[in-house]
Amino acid sequence: KAGVTQTPRYLIKTRGQQVTLSCSPISGHRSVSWYQQTPGQGLQFLFEYFSETQRNKGNFPGRFSGRQFSNSRSEMNVSTLELGDSALYLCASRFTGQGNEQFFGPGTRLTVL
Amino acid sequence: TQLLEQSPQFLSIQEGENLTVYCNSSSVFSSLQWYRQEPGEGPVLLVTVVTGGEVKKLKRLTFQFGDARKDSSLHITAAQPGDTGLYLCAGAFGNEKLTFGTGTRLTIIP
Repeated sequence: KAGVTQTPRYLIKTRGQQVTLSCSPISGHRSVSWYQQTPGQGLQFLFEYFSETQRNKGNFPGRFSGRQFSNSRSEMNVSTLELGDSALYLCASRFTGQGNEQFFGPGTRLTVL
Repeated sequence: TQLLEQSPQFLSIQEGENLTVYCNSSSVFSSLQWYRQEPGEGPVLLVTVVTGGEVKKLKRLTFQFGDARKDSSLHITAAQPGDTGLYLCAGAFGNEKLTFGTGTRLTIIP
């Protein structure tokens, strides 16, 4: 079974631009969560989607948004990029009903200049 | 806000030595997970513990969940260079989102 895939793997943007990241979960997994990882703040939860609905949300500004499609694929969007948005963005999927065991993708490394 | 503190933050030891990493919280978790993350990759789940006092072994790794389900430890016996990585604990309340710990960066020197 293929793992979680994320595209692109690397991205360089400038302040003020917007960016869209994509995540394809493991087949059969309907829950997709997004995390931001930085050296200073560690791994922080952004939001979780299940059956195209946002189920949980972390403490991030409204510039961070996401959505999920009927095939469970998910996208994350960041508008008006700031230097502090530079981070590794990780997507994780899980098969709900079997605890909180999450399977992570390799991440998208976003650099904001 | 539930916080998970891990200690030590950094650990560098010689191959063959033993080590213990700790994960502590003031909150009670319904389950706790340990992940290992290598450079350029996402975290990989090592184990999930759900019962207070539970001990799980994975080859040279021993995981323990505290009786009160507020803390956990990871013990590695005879560490090997392949154990190098960032170790993360993560706690959950029921089916809610995971809260990740601050992480322990482990380096095993050959």
